[in-house]
Amino acid sequence: QKEVEQNSGPLSVPEGAIASLNCTYSDRGSQSFFWYRQYSGKSPELIMFIYSNGDKEDGRFTAQLNKASQYVSLLIRDSQPSDSATYLCAGVNSGGSNYKLTFGKGTLLTVNP
Amino acid sequence: GAGVSQSPRYKVAKRGQDVALRCDPISGHVSLFWYQQALGQGPEFLTYFQNEAQLDKSGLPSDRFFAERPEGSVSTLKIQRTQQEDSAVYLCASSSPTEADTQYFGPGTRLTVL
Repeated sequence: QKEVEQNSGPLSVPEGAIASLNCTYSDRGSQSFFWYRQYSGKSPELIMFIYSNGDKEDGRFTAQLNKASQYVSLLIRDSQPSDSATYLCAGVNSGGSNYKLTFGKGTLLTVNP
Repeated sequence: GAGVSQSPRYKVAKRGQDVALRCDPISGHVSLFWYQQALGQGPEFLTYFQNEAQLDKSGLPSDRFFAERPEGSVSTLKIQRTQQEDSAVYLCASSSPTEADTQYFGPGTRLTVL
């Protein structure tokens, strides 16, 4: 069983809509969570991170973390065609000294003009 | 400033050949990670360095994979006797001491083994 699970999608939304991306994790020791955006053929680009329960907003992006439910989500408001990419959820168990990221498979998002 | 750089960007190898992939982390970043990303999958952890010390190599898939960072900056991932299943994108990431769990990725090396 993979430690971080994402709906692989694809997820398709119209331009201007809210895109909702979800992620669950099994390692209760995971303390930090990251959302990376990866355009086709490119490397992952960090867009949001969250450590605490609740919501964290950055522009059109909102990350949500619920440690009791072991659930992380990313909301993209006013979706734009340029948001079309694969979104990777990753967790870190930073209880030790190794901050290795455990990634989900990614969710492919398409924003239709 | 300059980001993480990797070379070569593309590598085609015949099965059985040895390859070496290079990573230049962001200046001042003491932590360096290697990940392997197969097509349609998320990146998978391979190994981790803090300065020149390899603290975790639990993700290396076989003893054909070897990584080093002798002076605590540039790192090389070497794959001996390449196999077709080694075909993937190899990503390097680095992080700073003040943001230890925030990793910045390089462009990757796409390895194709024929």
